[in-house]
Amino acid sequence: SYELTQAPSVLVSPGQTARINCSGDALPKQYAYWYQQKPGQAPLMLIFKDTERPPEIPERFSGSSSGTGATLTISGVQAEDEADYYCQSPDASNSYWVFGGGTRLTVL
Amino acid sequence: EVQLVESGGGLVKPGGSLRLSCTASGFSFTSYSINWVRQAPGKGLEWVSCISSSSSYISYAASVRGRFTVSRDNAKSSVFLQMNSLRGEDTAVYFCAREEGDPLPKTSYGMDLWGQGTTVTVS
Repeated sequence: SYELTQAPSVLVSPGQTARINCSGDALPKQYAYWYQQKPGQAPLMLIFKDTERPPEIPERFSGSSSGTGATLTISGVQAEDEADYYCQSPDASNSYWVFGGGTRLTVL
Repeated sequence: EVQLVESGGGLVKPGGSLRLSCTASGFSFTSYSINWVRQAPGKGLEWVSCISSSSSYISYAASVRGRFTVSRDNAKSSVFLQMNSLRGEDTAVYFCAREEGDPLPKTSYGMDLWGQGTTVTVS
């Protein structure tokens, strides 16, 4: 079955830039989506179709994609950004959704 | 208020059944597909199933296919997940999430609204 791979954790200092990566063989042909989840809360969509941001999401969140990888970039990280981040994409045949394993962002 | 509310979770023995509900309010329910996504304790998100607005398209994850059945009642703005032959590994918080238009299109707008989840414990 199809898998999306994420690093388990990323550490960053306040005000710095955090980059969270996601890799998958189908990403050259499929869009990536990104979600933030804080403890005890439902996921929140940050990025759709690789780079699009819902209007309520702060501009410091951005997405990019190249080849078999997609990246969520958080510029000027704030303490409130400490959370788990998940990438999501369909499999190559568009039959089912897949989530990456998640990356825990820790703000030092 | 625009929201999704899940209900129906609880404690069930292995081999048992449970029916989850997801009720929508505040938006045009028939314009959206609904997905079920679960999260086992301390683990990541796992997509479970989706159903299109007209119920014409339904898909399941391999881990639940043949045991779970998704359906919807647009008159009640609700989606249901019938879970049979439950196993310990089905223990999770179950979220429903909306997706504009048809599910899994090439240019999906993603899952832009989620419920708070309902907890299923199989033990």
